[in-house]
Amino acid sequence: DADVTQTPRNRITKTGKRIMLECSQTKGHDRMYWYRQDPGLGLRLIYYSFDVKDINKGEISDGYSVSRQAQAKFSLSLESAIPNQTALYFCATSGLPTAYNEQFFGPGTRLTVL
Amino acid sequence: AQKITQTQPGMFVQEKEAVTLDCTYDTSDPSYGLFWYKQPSSGEMIFLIYQGSYDQQNATEGRYSLNFQKARKSANLVISASQLGDSAMYFCAMRSRGGNQFYFGTGTSLTVIP
Repeated sequence: DADVTQTPRNRITKTGKRIMLECSQTKGHDRMYWYRQDPGLGLRLIYYSFDVKDINKGEISDGYSVSRQAQAKFSLSLESAIPNQTALYFCATSGLPTAYNEQFFGPGTRLTVL
Repeated sequence: AQKITQTQPGMFVQEKEAVTLDCTYDTSDPSYGLFWYKQPSSGEMIFLIYQGSYDQQNATEGRYSLNFQKARKSANLVISASQLGDSAMYFCAMRSRGGNQFYFGTGTSLTVIP
């Protein structure tokens, strides 16, 4: 089984709809992240969390919210989706903040907002 | 501020040849890690190789090696004996020791020509 899972894998929704993307991990990591990827822009950080009581905004948090329900679960919500939120969304985890701990990524969610 | 720069949006290489993907970084932290990820057309992010700022030798993982030039703040990825399956996007990333975030470049699209 995959260490970091994301649901759904693909989603098409309409402008104004609320949508939630879910992420679960079995790596036992405290640190979890949400990124979006757009062509030519690389990965941009939306939110990150170090535990259920610690949520931090990233580079592009406007229009998004998150919930850390448990150590293993981190959800991203779009309260009122708009077309420019069409992107590939990744959840990631990492271990302690030593320089050598890489991030582990989920398979991604392709979101299309019509 | 931390920053990663990948100046090659697209690269082509003949099958079985070697190719170098460029990455420069900017940080004032003395201890940091540099990472390369591969993203095939299927979308997942695959960790390839890591280099620590205090590592004396360049990292190698199979056909991947990292040409680390600390004074020039560059961490180029070298892929030897390119294969068709190497066609993908490649991202360079950095994390400081104790740092909460990873910083990604905008990526390089590599196409291997038969």
